[in-house]
Amino acid sequence: EAGVAQSPRYKIIEKRQSVAFWCNPISGHATLYWYQQILGQGPKLLIQFQNNGVVDDSQLPKDRFSAERLKGVDSTLKIQPAKLEDSAVYLCASSFRPGAEKLFFGSGTQLSVL
Amino acid sequence: GENVEQHPSTLSVQEGDSAVIKCTYSDSASNYFPWYKQELGKRPQLIIDIRSNVGEKKDQRIAVTLNKTAKHFSLHITETQPEDSAVYFCAAPVSGTYKYIFGTGTRLKVLA
Repeated sequence: EAGVAQSPRYKIIEKRQSVAFWCNPISGHATLYWYQQILGQGPKLLIQFQNNGVVDDSQLPKDRFSAERLKGVDSTLKIQPAKLEDSAVYLCASSFRPGAEKLFFGSGTQLSVL
Repeated sequence: GENVEQHPSTLSVQEGDSAVIKCTYSDSASNYFPWYKQELGKRPQLIIDIRSNVGEKKDQRIAVTLNKTAKHFSLHITETQPEDSAVYFCAAPVSGTYKYIFGTGTRLKVLA
């Protein structure tokens, strides 16, 4: 089966610029997650979707981060404006359903904010 | 609150030796405990998981043990090989939600 697709693979921007990441989950997976992984740390959940609805966005910095999953399939995560501390790998993951389920991760987008 | 502590942060073992990584969780209602392996520059991948109705699960050289009373679970890798070198993350779900909290990771280095 095809895996979770993410793009771009790398992105370098200057602070205060905006950036967007795209994710296409595994076909049939209703649950989609965006994680932020700062170097040397574990993945931190930013937002979780169930179909096209938000299940959890408690750790999403909503003043600068936004995400959507309009048709319950693809998702985009946007940062506007970016800060230096946003430099991280942004991982998208999906699972068949929420809860105690295996997560399938994409390759991630490595963001460098200069 | 929600918390998953993972130890050690780094671990070096000689090839053929065993490695043990431990995670402690705070939510007593957690019922699913996965372990992910992340090789350098690659995505995390599930290597083994355990549910709260069993105390141990094995898959070839990898095993996970769960102690619900003490609220900790451990990853055991026997007969380590250089390809086991990676960062390993534990995770635990937060009861009442559908999300996982990940541990801070253990960098395992297997020395040939």
